[in-house]
Amino acid sequence: DGGITQSPKYLFRKEGQNVTLSCEQNLNHDAMYWYRQDPGQGLRLIYYSQIVNDFQKGDIAEGYSVSREKKESFPLTVTSAQKNPTAFYLCASSNNRGRVKNIQYFGAGTRLSVL
Amino acid sequence: KQEVTQIPAALSVPEGENLVLNCSFTDSAIYNLQWFRQDPGKGLTSLLLIQSSQREQTSGRLNASLDKSSGRSTLYIAASQPGDSATYLCAAPGGETSGSRLTFGEGTQLTVNP
Repeated sequence: DGGITQSPKYLFRKEGQNVTLSCEQNLNHDAMYWYRQDPGQGLRLIYYSQIVNDFQKGDIAEGYSVSREKKESFPLTVTSAQKNPTAFYLCASSNNRGRVKNIQYFGAGTRLSVL
Repeated sequence: KQEVTQIPAALSVPEGENLVLNCSFTDSAIYNLQWFRQDPGKGLTSLLLIQSSQREQTSGRLNASLDKSSGRSTLYIAASQPGDSATYLCAAPGGETSGSRLTFGEGTQLTVNP
């Protein structure tokens, strides 16, 4: 089965703790993205990566960090500097080549709550 | 900076009705626009991608149109069914130089009543 896998589905963070959200894709896509969604709102871009070992800040990168050491994986760390981390986090990937470039495919999401 | 707006924010219709969801964007130098569906608590499913060279794209009962000059796209749903109930999001890239990043609207929450 090809697709994007996010884990865990639910995550709880204690104050002052860093937590890491996993995103893995087996679609052979070059680009990967992390979005945050708050209730009743659209998606806001946190970070994105268009190629391995390279990534760029999105609109709300403060308090988050990422790495892209492998094409298949783009983990997101929510650091203690992120004061309001409770949200639904979505990972996506896209193939930036050919006729179907830039169609973004999404994982099922991780819901992060603060204890 | 690209901004995307969707109207209405919520819509409730009886089963069988045809309906139109609206999306507007500020930066018309886009190469495509994408419509997504989101069920409660779930990720997004891509419905339609319209390239800038196209005026319309169809998939089953869904038809999306794109008018770059006016900065508008519409999603037409024919013969709506209760299973169509979901939030519909449109997303546009930030213009020719912004690469692959997308800007999303806040979505239209659709309820189709049996």
